Amino acid sequence: EAQVTQNPRYLITVTGKKLTVTCSQNMNHEYMSWYRQDPGLGLRQIYYSMNVEVTDKGDVPEGYKVSRKEKRNFPLILESPSPNQTSLYFCASSYRGARNEQFFGPGTRLTVL
Amino acid sequence: AQKVTQAQTEISVVEKEDVTLDCVYETRDTTYYLFWYKQPPSGELVFLIRRNSFDEQNEISGRYSWNFQKSTSSFNFTITASQVVDSAVYFCALSETGGGNKLTFGTGTQLKVEL
Repeated sequence: EAQVTQNPRYLITVTGKKLTVTCSQNMNHEYMSWYRQDPGLGLRQIYYSMNVEVTDKGDVPEGYKVSRKEKRNFPLILESPSPNQTSLYFCASSYRGARNEQFFGPGTRLTVL
Repeated sequence: AQKVTQAQTEISVVEKEDVTLDCVYETRDTTYYLFWYKQPPSGELVFLIRRNSFDEQNEISGRYSWNFQKSTSSFNFTITASQVVDSAVYFCALSETGGGNKLTFGTGTQLKVEL
């Protein structure tokens, strides 16, 4: 089954404790991206990757890191999480090109205390 | 810069009513794509439709229809004879040819369909 998976689905952590949210897709998509969803703000792009070893900042990259060492994986790293990073996070993937539909993972709900 | 506005934060209707969700966009590109996604209470994002800027034909899929009007920069979504299962948050989104794959989302419209 074609899908984007994320782990964990739910995470409660404390300020400053490094964490990684994994994202994997099995559709051989070149493009992958991370979004965060906050009430009243919709989804905002954090980072994206057009291909292996190519990553770039989105609209709200502060406090996040990413890497793309393999085509299928695009982990999101929070080196020192803060309460303002409490949010619902989505990973997405697609073929390159603006016309292509993005496939979204199930979401990771992160709470930073 | 690209922007998507969904002015309706929340809409409540009674089952079987028709409802229209508004979406207005801003872009400087001549070639762009518009999308609608549905987010049911379970939280996942479900793709509904894509429209390119050169195709202004309205589209109908069952009870769903979409009205794309370039002259008013709008891409509205109508649900006919709404059902409780239509209750969800609906997002309109835009991607520009010159923007890679970036999707710019509106803030979403929460639709509640009650019996």
